[in-house]
Amino acid sequence: KQEVTQIPAALSVPEGENLVLNCSFTDSAIYNLQWFRQDPGKGLTSLLLIQSSQREQTSGRLNASLDKSSGRSTLYIAASQPGDSATYLCAAYNTDKLIFGTGTRLQVFP
Amino acid sequence: GAGVSQSPSNKVTEKGKDVELRCDPISGHTALYWYRQSLGQGLEFLIYFQGNSAPDKSGLPSDRFSAERTGGSVSTLTIQRTQQEDSAVYLCASSPQSYGYTFGSGTRLTVV
Repeated sequence: KQEVTQIPAALSVPEGENLVLNCSFTDSAIYNLQWFRQDPGKGLTSLLLIQSSQREQTSGRLNASLDKSSGRSTLYIAASQPGDSATYLCAAYNTDKLIFGTGTRLQVFP
Repeated sequence: GAGVSQSPSNKVTEKGKDVELRCDPISGHTALYWYRQSLGQGLEFLIYFQGNSAPDKSGLPSDRFSAERTGGSVSTLTIQRTQQEDSAVYLCASSPQSYGYTFGSGTRLTVV
């Protein structure tokens, strides 16, 4: 059974810092891994999708890596801004559905 | 449409009433998923559709919950005899070929 864990659960940093959010999964037989952002009271916004044959994806200040052999993915946020404050969720897809981690709640203060 | 549409966005219902939640996926997306997010909790998988069939219903919490999908498009999640523990945000997602999910904004259900 796939289990997805995210560390840290919460993070509070000053504006401008570079951040690393960690995601680990127990079953390496995944088809892809997707990172989402969720703002309070809102739905999920897809940030990056890494397919199983890929090792990383980049979008603007965001970079996500995937290491299937070690069961880990990392989301790197460069030069954080207050607008980055949200909950970040990783989700592993295998078999037929996404299994979500419990998220990292990020607060970036000015 | 341009995105996944869910309705209603908010629903307040009395305990014991039935409710229907609707999801309009992105046109052409064959896979459709329902998830539930309770206050302070992670996303809980409920059910998955491929076309009109539901190969995985393992996440439905009780027999009060059911879902259907017609024409390979719109899906309805029905909760019968609602209980207070059913209060949550119900999220729908669709995908073109079981990867790359797009989520709707969700339906916030409150059972009073």
